[in-house]
Amino acid sequence: GAVVSQHPSWVICKSGTSVKIECRSLDFQATTMFWYRQFPKQSLMLMATSNEGSKATYEQGVEKDKFLINHASLTLSTLTVTSAHPEDSSFYICSARDVLQETQYFGPGTRLLVL
Amino acid sequence: QKEVEQDPGPLSVPEGAIVSLNCTYSNSAFQYFMWYRQYSRKGPELLMYTYSSGNKEDGRFTAQVDKSSKYISLFIRDSQPSDSATYLCAMSNPGNQFYFGTGTSLTVIP
Repeated sequence: GAVVSQHPSWVICKSGTSVKIECRSLDFQATTMFWYRQFPKQSLMLMATSNEGSKATYEQGVEKDKFLINHASLTLSTLTVTSAHPEDSSFYICSARDVLQETQYFGPGTRLLVL
Repeated sequence: QKEVEQDPGPLSVPEGAIVSLNCTYSNSAFQYFMWYRQYSRKGPELLMYTYSSGNKEDGRFTAQVDKSSKYISLFIRDSQPSDSATYLCAMSNPGNQFYFGTGTSLTVIP
């Protein structure tokens, strides 16, 4: 199957700093990528849908000024958590849409801990 | 009513058992159906992908889609401890958004 990578796999930062997470589709072009958040033992929560070359679409309740998404190429989307606070600590997962199969391939996730 | 309903479990079975995981949905327009497996602290991994109705088999895994009943299933034969994970169903229309179940937690006991 298709491969999606995420970097970094985990990050610890101080409160108030910004953190950037990269999501790459390695062997296919993804016009659409998704960003999810997941708390322990809970289901995936869609944060935003990112389309290459256009602004991301955020889900209700997700602050777009806090979670900046850039999808500058067909293989790369980034999520920047700005002025991170301890409540932003979570598991962030990206996925890329394969339009040929109409399915999503997920990255391995990034664990963020804000102290 | 949620678009996709999935029993969260937890489900616990002995090694070698046949496992049946299910999801129901309300939108008859869904055409693409997926099952993902998620291990703890990992991203979901695509297990099975089915277009429209019917069965699909891959090794010990069989996916079934019954569009008339709006019901999909994943069967795991000869379950192994390594199958212990959370299983997510998902479905979509072409070009539209995806809808995920909440996941069923499975433990296979040696």
